[in-house]
Amino acid sequence: GAGVSQTPSNKVTEKGKYVELRCDPISGHTALYWYRQSLGQGPEFLIYFQGTGAADDSGLPNDRFFAVRPEGSVSTLKIQRTERGDSAVYLCASSELGTSGRARQYFGPGTRLLVL
Amino acid sequence: QQQVKQSPQSLIVQKGGISIINCAYENTAFDYFPWYQQFPGKGPALLIAIRPDVSEKKEGRFTISFNKSAKQFSLHIMDSQPGDSATYFCAATSRDYKLSFGAGTTVTVRA
Repeated sequence: GAGVSQTPSNKVTEKGKYVELRCDPISGHTALYWYRQSLGQGPEFLIYFQGTGAADDSGLPNDRFFAVRPEGSVSTLKIQRTERGDSAVYLCASSELGTSGRARQYFGPGTRLLVL
Repeated sequence: QQQVKQSPQSLIVQKGGISIINCAYENTAFDYFPWYQQFPGKGPALLIAIRPDVSEKKEGRFTISFNKSAKQFSLHIMDSQPGDSATYFCAATSRDYKLSFGAGTTVTVRA
């Protein structure tokens, strides 16, 4: 079946611009996560959605970052007034919550964001 | 602040050899330790995971060893193959969702 998809795969923007990154999770997965992966580093947690609500947004670096999931499926990560330091690969993952409580996260291929 | 420390940063192994990657953590609340494999241009994919109530878990050529008292865990890749060449990340979490990743180890398997 289809995995997690993310669009665009690459995004080049200028400093100060606004960008939106989209994530389509695996159908039926209620949990959705955003991570940011800088070059040569492991992914860093940004935000977690359970259904439509953000259950934990403690990883968002500042108020320029915002994410929504209005219908409990597709999610959009929004970055205002982009800075060069925002350049990274933004990964989305989704999972279903099993009875064991250990959710296997399925990652998308990521959106590579470059801020010039 | 990196909650999971991973080493080495990279390693080269001959085909058929053993690759060993080590991770250490401080947060004793962590209770689930997955390993992810990532190929260039792809997202990480879950490889194998362990809970602290067992000291070892094996799946095929991949084995996790876990030392709760030392707060360390490691991944062993037996009979390494060229297709295993990838970046490997250890991770840990005290909840279902907030994974803390190590910095990654790039493994190169020479034919």
